[in-house]
Amino acid sequence: DAGITQSPRHKVTETGTPVTLRCHQTENHRYMYWYRQDPGHGLRLIHYSYGVKDTDKGEVSDGYSVSRSKTEDFLLTLESATSSQTSVYFCAIGGQPAYEQYFGPGTRLTVT
Amino acid sequence: QQPVQSPQAVILREGEDAVINCSSSKALYSVHWYRQKHGEAPVFLMILLKGGEQKGHDKISASFNEKKQQSSLYLTASQLSYSGTYFCGTVLIGSSNTGKLIFGQGTTLQVKP
Repeated sequence: DAGITQSPRHKVTETGTPVTLRCHQTENHRYMYWYRQDPGHGLRLIHYSYGVKDTDKGEVSDGYSVSRSKTEDFLLTLESATSSQTSVYFCAIGGQPAYEQYFGPGTRLTVT
Repeated sequence: QQPVQSPQAVILREGEDAVINCSSSKALYSVHWYRQKHGEAPVFLMILLKGGEQKGHDKISASFNEKKQQSSLYLTASQLSYSGTYFCGTVLIGSSNTGKLIFGQGTTLQVKP
């Protein structure tokens, strides 16, 4: 299995508070991705990174920001959490674009 | 842009075969297949690339019709461990340098003894 971890694994937070989720990899892969998974919507790309300090938006990026200061870490920040951001968040890594991606264990976030 | 998967759900007995389809309205660079069990992360199964290259499991096969932007996943002699939700993910021609995946809504497969 690819060496990819996410923290925290579960979090409950209140509306309006900032939240940061961390994705850490030990595979030295260049590409990293953040997805959210919701019933009825499947997996949707939030943001992705194609190198240190190189990031771009996915299809559902509003309300989220990301940062990547090191190859191994990709952070997802919810600046002011809303109930609509209650979801399961998955990080994925890939060695080459358009090739297989390996997913982390996920973070279940509940915004009350 | 989201690919359409069919069927939405299927129930099999052990040993039976199943086919899951994935169809896109956009030109595709690659099609990915993942399986997800309840409460777990998606697991990579197979990738099919424009031009015919394939990578994946020995016991699972798939096809990719580039002209029709369609892919099918073939599960033969199903086992209980095949149960889960199957997702196709597509990379559009214009996204081949980013790997941006667009996932279908999933097909739930249940294999019964």
